[in-house]
Amino acid sequence: ETGVTQSPTHLIKTRGQQVTLRCSSQSGHNTVSWYQQALGQGPQFIFQYYREEENGRGNFPPRFSGLQFPNYSSELNVNALELDDSALYLCASSPGPSYNEQFFGPGTRLTVL
Amino acid sequence: QQQVKQSPQSLIVQKGGISIINCAYENTAFDYFPWYQQFPGKGPALLIAIRPDVSEKKEGRFTISFNKSAKQFSLHIMDSQPGDSATYFCAASMLPGNTPLVFGKGTRLSVIA
Repeated sequence: ETGVTQSPTHLIKTRGQQVTLRCSSQSGHNTVSWYQQALGQGPQFIFQYYREEENGRGNFPPRFSGLQFPNYSSELNVNALELDDSALYLCASSPGPSYNEQFFGPGTRLTVL
Repeated sequence: QQQVKQSPQSLIVQKGGISIINCAYENTAFDYFPWYQQFPGKGPALLIAIRPDVSEKKEGRFTISFNKSAKQFSLHIMDSQPGDSATYFCAASMLPGNTPLVFGKGTRLSVIA
């Protein structure tokens, strides 16, 4: 069974640029959630995708957007990057939206200069 | 508003000792309480979880104690080992599962020989 994978591992961008992060869900999982983890903090929920539709969103501005593909993989896009966007971005998958258990990938470390 | 408060921020325990991490929540609608373990450079890994219909759950050296009336739950790590040194996060969410996990700020545990 393949776990959640994310790419790239690390990324450095400058303020104002745009970034796309990618996630492949665990085998058999059709629901993907994205979290932002600032240094020294717990993860914060950005949004969840199920059946290629956004299925819940946290307190993040519209410049954070996402996609889910038919194979359940997902992308997180962030436009107009700000310094405070520097964080570890985590993708978590679950077998379905009714499951509480979420399984996290290793994350993408984004640094905005 | 921080919905899940975690303490202590850091903890040093002797090898073989008991590590205790506490969390308190505010939202009485929460009914799923997991603990995650995170090593540096890795994503959080689900360790153990409890629902409010039981007061305690044990898996190996890890035990969750849950006090519904006090809105508190704790993680006990028995016979702590240097390999347990990591950051631990408590979290909470509501049923059904398409509600996001709300995380505490984390506890950095160091187990020294």
